Amino acid sequence: AQSVTQPDIHITVSEGASLELRCNYSYGATPYLFWYVQSPGQGLQLLLKYFSGDTLVQGIKGFEAEFKRSQSSFNLRKPSVHWSDAAEYFCAVVFSGGYNKLIFGAGTRLAVHP
Amino acid sequence: EPEVTQTPSHQVTQMGQEVILRCVPISNHLYFYWYRQILGQKVEFLVSFYNNEISEKSEIFDDQFSVERPDGSNFTLKIRSTKLEDSAMYFCASTGTGNTEAFFGQGTRLTVV
Repeated sequence: AQSVTQPDIHITVSEGASLELRCNYSYGATPYLFWYVQSPGQGLQLLLKYFSGDTLVQGIKGFEAEFKRSQSSFNLRKPSVHWSDAAEYFCAVVFSGGYNKLIFGAGTRLAVHP
Repeated sequence: EPEVTQTPSHQVTQMGQEVILRCVPISNHLYFYWYRQILGQKVEFLVSFYNNEISEKSEIFDDQFSVERPDGSNFTLKIRSTKLEDSAMYFCASTGTGNTEAFFGQGTRLTVV
């Protein structure tokens, strides 16, 4: 079955520290990969996406993600976290043949300590 | 920048009542979607719509749900007889051809009491 796994439900980091949020997906073919951020009570904002080409993609707000085919992973990173980055982060995948529907992971809630 | 708009932002309804959630997708987009997020849970796919018909639907999208594109701009989700467990945030999204990036609306928070 097609699935997306975000193994970390909650992560707490100190402001200025580096961040890595993990995402793994099932399935054999290379899907389209996305990271969205959601602040409390708000909608979904696209941080970055991967369709093909360079496996390291840059996004908004200083985020980047790396696609690793061998590990079926698409981890999100930021070198220095700001207090305003506290939010819920969702990894999402479009699997081939899925009419572009997104399959979301369960999300990782990020807390930032001052 | 073009955006997907949803109305209303909040809706409170009594159990058993019908609700219609409205969305205006980006004007040149052809694929439309509804997703649902129960409070504290992940976002779940409900239905996709293309060329005036449902292209795919999830197990959640039972006979209580229907979608419609009544004119050239609106895309609606109707819940015929709401249940308490329908309380959630409902997101509309759209994509264009050759581009699988989905643009999401801000959502409608539905509360069934």
